Amino acid sequence: GAGVSQSPSNKVTEKGKDVELRCDPISGHTALYWYRQSLGQGLEFLIYFQGNSAPDKSGLPSDRFSAERTGGSVSTLTIQRTQQEDSAVYLCASSLIAGALSGANVLTFGAGSRLTVL
Amino acid sequence: AQSVTQLDSHVSVSEGTPVLLRCNYSSSYSPSLFWYVQHPNKGLQLLLKYTSAATLVKGINGFEAEFKKSETSFHLTKPSAHMSDAAEYFCVVSDRTGNTGKLIFGQGTTLQVKP
Repeated sequence: GAGVSQSPSNKVTEKGKDVELRCDPISGHTALYWYRQSLGQGLEFLIYFQGNSAPDKSGLPSDRFSAERTGGSVSTLTIQRTQQEDSAVYLCASSLIAGALSGANVLTFGAGSRLTVL
Repeated sequence: AQSVTQLDSHVSVSEGTPVLLRCNYSSSYSPSLFWYVQHPNKGLQLLLKYTSAATLVKGINGFEAEFKKSETSFHLTKPSAHMSDAAEYFCVVSDRTGNTGKLIFGQGTTLQVKP
């Protein structure tokens, strides 16, 4: 697609429920990243995919968080048994390739999915 | 490990006056540095990037930044602020450990532009 598409744009859920957030990267981009932006905070790295594998998932805050990517394209971030502290904007980004030594790797971000846990 | 510190959480300027948003970085590598802008209810947009070429980097909308290795700084400037520049600005360093391209964000600086 022309840009990174995320859905839903807004999600309100009750504490304890599971949620799924979807990211559709730019066509042909092999690297995909998930970040979280909490109110008044900078962006926090969660996980990154190269193709369908996740070489770095060091930012996932707990085992309630998981993500997968299929077909080298769409990715889903799943949060199980949501807690109020999970409320944030979840941002997805993609890039043509990951970590080019030239530093030319540029991430294109989606508009984000705003999650509110009541 | 790489890190980024944005020295001001909030900057207020008058329209038509210069803008200076300060950023210091820490990196054990020759870093790649970026500035991103986030307008209200909009996605993050790349303003400019430094990738070990020219130390003075020009970006979109009249912004530029200068990489100063001796000062470990990458401050963002603009000669004359417009109302449309009001937004959140993030200084970012690329984590090249393992060559993942993972980005490390500063806490952000909110730019207010007064008429």
